Amino acid sequence: GIQVEQSPPDLILQEGANSTLRCNFSDSVNNLQWFHQNPWGQLINLFYIPSGTKQNGRLSATTVATERYSLLYISSSQTTDSGVYFCAVEADSNYQLIWGAGTKLIIKP
Amino acid sequence: ETGVTQSPTHLIKTRGQQVTLRCSSQSGHNTVSWYQQALGQGPQFIFQYYREEENGRGNFPPRFSGLQFPNYSSELNVNALELDDSALYLCASSLMGLGTGELFFGEGSRLTVL
Repeated sequence: GIQVEQSPPDLILQEGANSTLRCNFSDSVNNLQWFHQNPWGQLINLFYIPSGTKQNGRLSATTVATERYSLLYISSSQTTDSGVYFCAVEADSNYQLIWGAGTKLIIKP
Repeated sequence: ETGVTQSPTHLIKTRGQQVTLRCSSQSGHNTVSWYQQALGQGPQFIFQYYREEENGRGNFPPRFSGLQFPNYSSELNVNALELDDSALYLCASSLMGLGTGELFFGEGSRLTVL
């Protein structure tokens, strides 16, 4: 089955810093989403981005489907950005998302 | 706020018991998916319901079952609970189209099996 790898596994930054999170996948996908899981467990949908580039405030994402990777950019980090960032993909229209192991981000004040 | 609500938020059961978790989907969404997330791991797909039928299933045994109702809300039932069933159970709603669609998650139900 499709493999999803996220890097780095952990990231510690000072407030105000910028960061880039990466998601590599091993096969073509129909669907790619980025999620933020806050410390209480709530999963927040950040981007639905099977290809191309999207921006939402301080966050933006780019998926290069032909090269099988996606990047999540966070600018001017805030402490509320802390949590785990997951990339999840769907392949072959089998109705399930396959998840990476996540990147744990800690933003220090 | 995703509009997806789950209940209960926390519960404790003992091994061998049965549990029912509930999910109300976001307005306008017709599909519900359930995921299990063990501590420190990414979510694992359990199954998806569309038009009141199971539409896809992950690698979970038959003691994990579900229902979807005409109003698109859903239940997840787990029988004969085992210690390894302790996890966060997440419900996601979406609008069925090509594949899974964009998923929106509830806050989860945290199950502890003793």
